[in-house]
Amino acid sequence: DVKVTQSSRYLVKRTGEKVFLECVQDMDHENMFWYRQDPGLGLRLIYFSYDVKMKEKGDIPEGYSVSREKKERFSLILESASTNQTSMYLCASRESGYSTDTQYFGPGTRLTVL
Amino acid sequence: TQLLEQSPQFLSIQEGENLTVYCNSSSVFSSLQWYRQEPGEGPVLLVTVVTGGEVKKLKRLTFQFGDARKDSSLHITAAQPGDTGLYLCAGGRNTGNQFYFGTGTSLTVIP
Repeated sequence: DVKVTQSSRYLVKRTGEKVFLECVQDMDHENMFWYRQDPGLGLRLIYFSYDVKMKEKGDIPEGYSVSREKKERFSLILESASTNQTSMYLCASRESGYSTDTQYFGPGTRLTVL
Repeated sequence: TQLLEQSPQFLSIQEGENLTVYCNSSSVFSSLQWYRQEPGEGPVLLVTVVTGGEVKKLKRLTFQFGDARKDSSLHITAAQPGDTGLYLCAGGRNTGNQFYFGTGTSLTVIP
């Protein structure tokens, strides 16, 4: 079974802090994704990566950056956290780019920015 | 702007009742997936449909892809408390890596 793990389940940070969210997958998947989940808005894509060191912006990349130095690890970085970035953050991986492939999700990190 | 709108947003029903959740878009998708998310967990894939008009059944759950591949529905027969969760549809395209997720339907089945 594919396992996607996220470094923290809950995180509380202060406005202006730099925040790192880590995600690791164990199935050698090419594609990895970062979403944020807010009530009534579903999942919105922040960034995705289709290979090591490759990244593409999703629908809401402002205020975020990402890093993929190794195939199994995809990091989301909030350079200067703001209160409107309080949200649930979900990482996912997928074997390839086919539209029928399954996305496997981690359990999420609930981030609160005070 | 959400590409995929789900209705209803919230649904609370008694055990044993039937229900239908809708996922609508003005865009065409190559595939449509349905996920269920339980509290404290990430979404888990239930089904993928790829052909217009396709119907798939998963025990008491029936999924249908619209003929024009712009919409989908999820019907649950005789709902059980274990069906409680957030249901998300997601549209995929053959070009590009992105899935477009719906706004979500939160289902509560009361024993």
